[in-house]
Amino acid sequence: QQQVRQSPQSLTVWEGETAILNCSYEDSTFDYFPWYHQFPGESPALLIAIRPVSNKKEDGRFTIFFNKREKKFSLHIADSQPGDSATYFCAASPNAYKVIFGKGTHLHVLP
Amino acid sequence: DAGVTQTPRHEVAEKGQTIILKCEPVSGHNDLFWYRQTKIQGLELLSYFRSKSLMEDGGAFKDRFKAEMLNSSFSTLKIQPTEPKDSAVYLCASRDWGEDTGQLYFGEGSKLTVL
Repeated sequence: QQQVRQSPQSLTVWEGETAILNCSYEDSTFDYFPWYHQFPGESPALLIAIRPVSNKKEDGRFTIFFNKREKKFSLHIADSQPGDSATYFCAASPNAYKVIFGKGTHLHVLP
Repeated sequence: DAGVTQTPRHEVAEKGQTIILKCEPVSGHNDLFWYRQTKIQGLELLSYFRSKSLMEDGGAFKDRFKAEMLNSSFSTLKIQPTEPKDSAVYLCASRDWGEDTGQLYFGEGSKLTVL
């Protein structure tokens, strides 16, 4: 089944905390896992992505953790800032083919 | 370099009408995607083209939704006939599949309201 499940639907954290967003998939052909963020009134934009050759990818405050055995991956946002408030979409793609998105997590970072 | 261009930005249609949304991908990109975005369902894939060939037609969206790629720099999405449940933002995205990042570049979207 080519679906990507994302949780939670909404997440509120205080400034400085680590926000954790979760995704899972079922299709073993998926080999590319990006995260996109979308600010109000804007279109989605790539934030960070990982391929299963590694189980962790860092870019500044943003880290993807990948668990191939459990078919799960998560986005950790360290030291969350109010400017991080946005909708975050995880996605998966089989072999540079179509890209399937999760339903999104609305992140609110309170000052 | 110009990004993905979508027109119109806003469209209001009566139930039963035919609407056509347009998309110009980033020059040189060989993959083109159409997505529908709603608050409840998030981003749903409607169609996917590679080098103008239709690779995916979005399954459940087949009956009233038809995407075409007339040339490598222009695509249309036709909805016929429209229904109120089609009210959503329609996003077009393009990708250079040879690019290592695999990044999708999204247009600003066409917001459709069906009365």
